[in-house]
Amino acid sequence: SAVISQKPSRDICQRGTSLTIQCQVDSQVTMMFWYRQQPGQSLTLIATANQGSEATYESGFVIDKFPISRPNLTFSTLTVSNMSPEDSSIYLCSVALTGSYTFGSGTRLTVV
Amino acid sequence: SQQGEEDPQALSIQEGENATMNCSYKTSINNLQWYRQNSGRGLVHLILIRSNEREKHSGRLRVTLDTSKKSSSLLITASRAADTASYFCATDLSSNTGKLIFGQGTTLQVKP
Repeated sequence: SAVISQKPSRDICQRGTSLTIQCQVDSQVTMMFWYRQQPGQSLTLIATANQGSEATYESGFVIDKFPISRPNLTFSTLTVSNMSPEDSSIYLCSVALTGSYTFGSGTRLTVV
Repeated sequence: SQQGEEDPQALSIQEGENATMNCSYKTSINNLQWYRQNSGRGLVHLILIRSNEREKHSGRLRVTLDTSKKSSSLLITASRAADTASYFCATDLSSNTGKLIFGQGTTLQVKP
């Protein structure tokens, strides 16, 4: 299975600012996935990051708020823009490789 | 929207007892997975069961899948205090894309 390095592990940010979260995978993968886990809740898929094309966003998530980059097959970033306290969540990236599913360790974001 | 509903939402048992968690989903699936999450940290993949399988075992874990009822159960036998965590089911709807839809989760507390 793949190994994912996700950074930062946590951050406290001021409202109105932006945070970029990075995920590095040790294998080449076609698709990477970004999830949000709000406090006490389950995971919700934000978007699918495809290399060489724009990300595909799920209902309720928009590119202006969560821009995603996918410059190559092993790396992706998710930016949380113009943050508000409602964006306080854990953000996780994920990949699936040969039937094995792997998640990053998560970024715990607190917006104050 | 969430694909899966899990019950119970919370479960408290004594060490040594068995714990059973249930998951129901709405649409046809390619596979169903169970994950563990300790204290809001990253997800640990426990077990994957494919749509053509009915039961799967891994150590103290037993997973069943009933596609006619669109439901799955996770049984943890001889529970330990270290099993205290949140457990989530997740469905992959087609062709192992890696895009997962998560259930609401069950919080398990195992008392020593």
